[in-house]
Amino acid sequence: GAGVSQTPSNKVTEKGKYVELRCDPISGHTALYWYRQSLGQGPEFLIYFQGTGAADDSGLPNDRFFAVRPEGSVSTLKIQRTERGDSAVYLCASSLWGTSGSNEQFFGPGTRLTVL
Amino acid sequence: GQNIDQPTEMTATEGAIVQINCTYQTSGFNGLFWYQQHAGEAPTFLSYNVLDGLEEKGRFSSFLSRSKGYSYLLLKELQMKDSASYLCAVRDRVDSNYQLIWGAGTKLIIKP
Repeated sequence: GAGVSQTPSNKVTEKGKYVELRCDPISGHTALYWYRQSLGQGPEFLIYFQGTGAADDSGLPNDRFFAVRPEGSVSTLKIQRTERGDSAVYLCASSLWGTSGSNEQFFGPGTRLTVL
Repeated sequence: GQNIDQPTEMTATEGAIVQINCTYQTSGFNGLFWYQQHAGEAPTFLSYNVLDGLEEKGRFSSFLSRSKGYSYLLLKELQMKDSASYLCAVRDRVDSNYQLIWGAGTKLIIKP
C-alpha cells in the first residue's frame, strides 16, 4: 500500500512569509508525528497527534508553529512569519498506535524548507 | 537531561562486519530504536530493543544494556548499499508523554 506522503517536496520562501506543509499518513495509522531535521543532525520532535488531537506539542519551538489534523488523517504544519532559522527538512511520520511497544514510525520523504 | 551519543562517522570494507555504538542518558527509558537513513531520504526502521540482550534480524543485530545506557548495531557481510547514516533513537518520558529522542547519526562509509 501507499506510504506516508508529504507535499510539497521543496518549498522556498522569503523571510516573514507564511507556509503550510502537508502530510498524508498511512491509512489506518492513528498516530502522526512531525519532526524537523537539519543537516548532520537527527530528527527533532515537534508534535504528536493521536487521532485528531495533539497529544504532545511540547516540541513546537514557539507560537509561530502550529499543526492541525482535523479529521484524524491528513495533517498540516503551519509556520507563520518564517525566519531563516526555520530552514530544515520537515519530516512527517505515522504509526499504527501511539508511543508504546515496538510501534515503529514510518516516515515520509520530507519537505525541504528554505527561507531566504 | 537527555543525551544520546554516537560516533559521527565510520568507515568499513565491503564484506566485513561493523559495530556502531550508542550511549544514552534518559530519565524514563522505554525502548531504543535504530533507523537507517540514506542521503536525502527518510529514515527507515531497522530494530527495536526494550529488554537487555541481542535482537537479530538477518544481517543486522542490535544489542541493549539498560544498566549501562548502551546499545550497538552490528552489521554483517557489508554491502555497498549499506552506506548510509544510522540513527539511534530512545523513547524517553518527557513530562507526561513519551517522545523519541534522536542521536545525530553515524555516517557509515563502505569501501570496496
